[in-house]
Amino acid sequence: DAGITQSPRHKVTETGTPVTLRCHQTENHRYMYWYRQDPGHGLRLIHYSYGVKDTDKGEVSDGYSVSRSKTEDFLLTLESATSSQTSVYFCAISEIRGGQPQHFGDGTRLSIL
Amino acid sequence: DAKTTQPNSMESNEEEPVHLPCNHSTISGTDYIHWYRQLPSQGPEYVIHGLTSNVNNRMASLAIAEDRKSSTLILHRATLRDAAVYYCILSLGIQGAQKLVFGQGTRLTINP
Repeated sequence: DAGITQSPRHKVTETGTPVTLRCHQTENHRYMYWYRQDPGHGLRLIHYSYGVKDTDKGEVSDGYSVSRSKTEDFLLTLESATSSQTSVYFCAISEIRGGQPQHFGDGTRLSIL
Repeated sequence: DAKTTQPNSMESNEEEPVHLPCNHSTISGTDYIHWYRQLPSQGPEYVIHGLTSNVNNRMASLAIAEDRKSSTLILHRATLRDAAVYYCILSLGIQGAQKLVFGQGTRLTINP
């Protein structure tokens, strides 16, 4: 299995509080991604990174920011969490070569009350 | 973005082969065909991918039509552990971040 660790695995917090989710990889892959998955839906891309300090927006980036200060860590931050951001968040990594698969972490279940 | 079309659900019996179809009529020449599956309460798991030729690995086989407008994921002998949502996704074959677009997938039920 690809070495991807997401933390925390579960979190419950209140509306308006800041939340940071961490994705850590041991594979030295260049690309890292954050997705969210809501009930009955496939995954949707939030942000992705193509290198240290290089990030870009995905399909549903509003309300989220990311940072990547080291190759192995990709952080997703909700500056002021809202109930609509209650979801399961998945991190993924992929190699530099085109067409290679992404490998996913086990997810973080986030509930915002 | 090139899209894929899959049946919402399929059902099969344990120890029988399963053929999961996917249509991708707008596929471009550089698009790879990827299959992922997602078991309940888990992240998506890579199954197999291919470009033009049929592919086999320990989990499954991928049969790609000659015109590449459709493909079929084949599970040769289904087990109860194969019950999952299967996603067929196109991925650009060029160097760069792959912004995967997940559809609804096919929910596969395996009967004992």
